[in-house]
Amino acid sequence: DTAVSQTPKYLVTQMGNDKSIKCEQNLGHDTMYWYKQDSKKFLKIMFSYNNKELIINETVPNRFSPKSPDKAHLNLHINSLELGDSAVYFCASSQNTGGIRETQYFGPGTRLLVL
Amino acid sequence: QQQVKQSPQSLIVQKGGISIINCAYENTAFDYFPWYQQFPGKGPALLIAIRPDVSEKKEGRFTISFNKSAKQFSLHIMDSQPGDSATYFCAASRRGGSEKLVFGKGMKLTVNP
Repeated sequence: DTAVSQTPKYLVTQMGNDKSIKCEQNLGHDTMYWYKQDSKKFLKIMFSYNNKELIINETVPNRFSPKSPDKAHLNLHINSLELGDSAVYFCASSQNTGGIRETQYFGPGTRLLVL
Repeated sequence: QQQVKQSPQSLIVQKGGISIINCAYENTAFDYFPWYQQFPGKGPALLIAIRPDVSEKKEGRFTISFNKSAKQFSLHIMDSQPGDSATYFCAASRRGGSEKLVFGKGMKLTVNP
């Protein structure tokens, strides 16, 4: 009954490969996010979707492409992986009702290592 | 530019002591200030949050103090326990639109038994 789940938990791959990370939330939330946490633990937002519509697109290389097939899922596809992409990627979700800020619930993270 | 500055970077306290983490922000449009707690190998989880219309919020052993004029807020953990050992992030967001959270760089707390 995990609220926000991500797969895979670990991902080890070679430079230049293309990979995807999947995220699902069963909280009924309408907003989902992708964050990147680097080796120094710095947490930075990458993307946010509200009801399948992109609302935040930070300065992220266009090798990163989010896709939201429905409001319970937000996947992250990464093309041509680079060494600097090695990080922990967190998915999160929240319910934003009438502009009231709601808690963001984070998934367990996907640890990506690019060799 | 770093919109939310957090200090110290790490802190070691003895069991029963008080842990204090400070954050300062730049953007006066910020109106929501949560603290997140992250255990090793886990995702961050909301601990406590405050809005600028109050100067203090307490939940159990955790208290946020907020100083709007100084653009600073802090987390106090009373009677710190070894189970509180984690990384703590302050964050901020502003009303209108994207609900984007801007995080501080995090502080690793170690509570010795």
